[in-house]
Amino acid sequence: GENVEQHPSTLSVQEGDSAVIKCTYSDSASNYFPWYKQELGKRPQLIIDIRSNVGEKKDQRIAVTLNKTAKHFSLHITETQPEDSAVYFCAASMRGGADGLTFGKGTHLIIQP
Amino acid sequence: NAGVTQTPKFRVLKTGQSMTLLCAQDMNHEYMYWYRQDPGMGLRLIHYSVGEGTTAKGEVPDGYNVSRLKKQNFLLGLESAAPSQTSVYFCASSSPRGGSYNEQFFGPGTRLTVL
Repeated sequence: GENVEQHPSTLSVQEGDSAVIKCTYSDSASNYFPWYKQELGKRPQLIIDIRSNVGEKKDQRIAVTLNKTAKHFSLHITETQPEDSAVYFCAASMRGGADGLTFGKGTHLIIQP
Repeated sequence: NAGVTQTPKFRVLKTGQSMTLLCAQDMNHEYMYWYRQDPGMGLRLIHYSVGEGTTAKGEVPDGYNVSRLKKQNFLLGLESAAPSQTSVYFCASSSPRGGSYNEQFFGPGTRLTVL
């Protein structure tokens, strides 16, 4: 089955700087790659996703890039703010997510004031 | 719209006891999922359903059973709880959008402790 590796496990950045979280996946048949943000004690919430036919997607301060050849994808957050502090999870799926998602183990993003 | 709701929010069981977790969604979604979240492990798929009356195994199905008798509800059962099943359980639902891609919406979670 699919395996998703996520790095780093903890990332501390100064407010206003950029943050990058990287994930690799094992199954070349995967075609859907969402990113979720989870605040302490809350449910995961989708922040951005990308499909395998797209190399990059951007939404305001958040962007995701996908390299299908290398089987890795990354989350980029620019101009970080205190409210960006949370745990971020990447995930991968075949069939567009219909059969469920395989998640990475998460990155705890800490924004230092 | 309430979205995805889960019952109960918290529960403490003794080893060997049984219980059922209920997930309900009011978005008319076709697909529903149960995940468990353990510290440092991310979320792992237990079972899922692609339609009323259908269920399938995910990554970690042992010790759990599920049923989808109504489109809006997805039940997760623990027949004989074990301490290894102490976890936070999340339900999610989705439907295809823009083709065949499914954004999953999560419920608030159920925190289960097995003593």
